[in-house]
Amino acid sequence: DQQVKQNSPSLSVQEGRISILNCDYTNSMFDYFLWYKKYPAEGPTFLISISSIKDKNEDGRFTVFLNKSAKHLSLHIVPSQPGDSAVYFCAASENNNQGGKLIFGQGTELSVKP
Amino acid sequence: KAGVTQTPRYLIKTRGQQVTLSCSPISGHRSVSWYQQTPGQGLQFLFEYFSETQRNKGNFPGRFSGRQFSNSRSEMNVSTLELGDSALYLCASSRLGADTQYFGPGTRLTVL
Repeated sequence: DQQVKQNSPSLSVQEGRISILNCDYTNSMFDYFLWYKKYPAEGPTFLISISSIKDKNEDGRFTVFLNKSAKHLSLHIVPSQPGDSAVYFCAASENNNQGGKLIFGQGTELSVKP
Repeated sequence: KAGVTQTPRYLIKTRGQQVTLSCSPISGHRSVSWYQQTPGQGLQFLFEYFSETQRNKGNFPGRFSGRQFSNSRSEMNVSTLELGDSALYLCASSRLGADTQYFGPGTRLTVL
């Protein structure tokens, strides 16, 4: 039972354009969501997070949108740069006594072409 | 501030052996979580330690165990290694657990 799903294994965009990565979840108890960027053989690097009390959070070129009714979140990268090419994971957790347990999606490999 | 460190970075073992991996969290972080990454299963939660106590556990067999010391450093142990245990093992730390987790570089374990 996959509680966090990233249905697009890969995404290719042109440099300077917008990248939109999507994530769906099934567990309505999730109330904290994060996006991580990962290169092969390295640990994930935290990008941005959002609490369920918000519907948008922005940090520089990265914006995360949360639609609780649809159980859907998305990460927008504007403008996309070749250095953004990596695998992006969304993750979710239940703050209600679940502590440090993140449930990850399968990842989306983003390729930004010059 | 120094990030999460993991040792060793690479390890090669044979079936049946046991292995211990180490993780030093960011200073001031009391929660340490462990994850296994494989091509087929993605990133899966193993367990979390907070103040030397296991607070959460994922769906892994009892061969996978861990502990946390008073300085928040953590170790995980895998006994009776199987070929399927070959993976990247990641450790993450956070202040309280239910907040942003920061990952180390991982330990690449290969079981032959």
